[in-house]
Amino acid sequence: EAQVTQNPRYLITVTGKKLTVTCSQNMNHEYMSWYRQDPGLGLRQIYYSMNVEVTDKGDVPEGYKVSRKEKRNFPLILESPSPNQTSLYFCASSSLSRGAEAFFGQGTRLTVV
Amino acid sequence: AQSVAQPEDQVNVAEGNPLTVKCTYSVSGNPYLFWYVQYPNRGLQFLLKYITGDNLVKGSYGFEAEFNKSQTSFHLKKPSALVSDSALYFCAVRDPYPTGRRALTFGSGTRLQVQP
Repeated sequence: EAQVTQNPRYLITVTGKKLTVTCSQNMNHEYMSWYRQDPGLGLRQIYYSMNVEVTDKGDVPEGYKVSRKEKRNFPLILESPSPNQTSLYFCASSSLSRGAEAFFGQGTRLTVV
Repeated sequence: AQSVAQPEDQVNVAEGNPLTVKCTYSVSGNPYLFWYVQYPNRGLQFLLKYITGDNLVKGSYGFEAEFNKSQTSFHLKKPSALVSDSALYFCAVRDPYPTGRRALTFGSGTRLQVQP
């Protein structure tokens, strides 16, 4: 089954404690990205990657890092989480075909206290 | 910069009645437009898209959307609503240029409530 898998689904952490949210896709997609969803704001792109070792900032990259060492994996790293990063996070992947739709993971609900 | 507006936070409709969820967009060039649905505790699921061609696009679960270039709208419709259609719906537009960062710009979402 084609899917994007995120882990963990729920995470509560304390301010300043580094964490990683993993994302993996099994569709051989070149393009992967991270979004955060906040009430009334829709989803906003954090980082994206066009292919292995090619990453770049989205609309709201401050406080986040990513890496793309393998095509299927695109982890999101919060080196020093703060309460304003409490949000619902989604990983997405798609092919680079011009009209291709994005496939989304189940989401990770992060709470930083 | 591209943008999407979903003017209604919530839409209420009785089961069996037609439903419309509104979306307007702003983008340079020809838009790539998408509708996604989010059920509680689930990720976003793709419903349909407009890239080019017929203005009426048919998608999953009986949904369709009409692209109107002059009104810059892409409203989601369904002839007969089901209680199971109750969910959060997002309209999104994507940068049409192949060298762009391909980000989806989302509207703020519309909660659809279908009453039995």
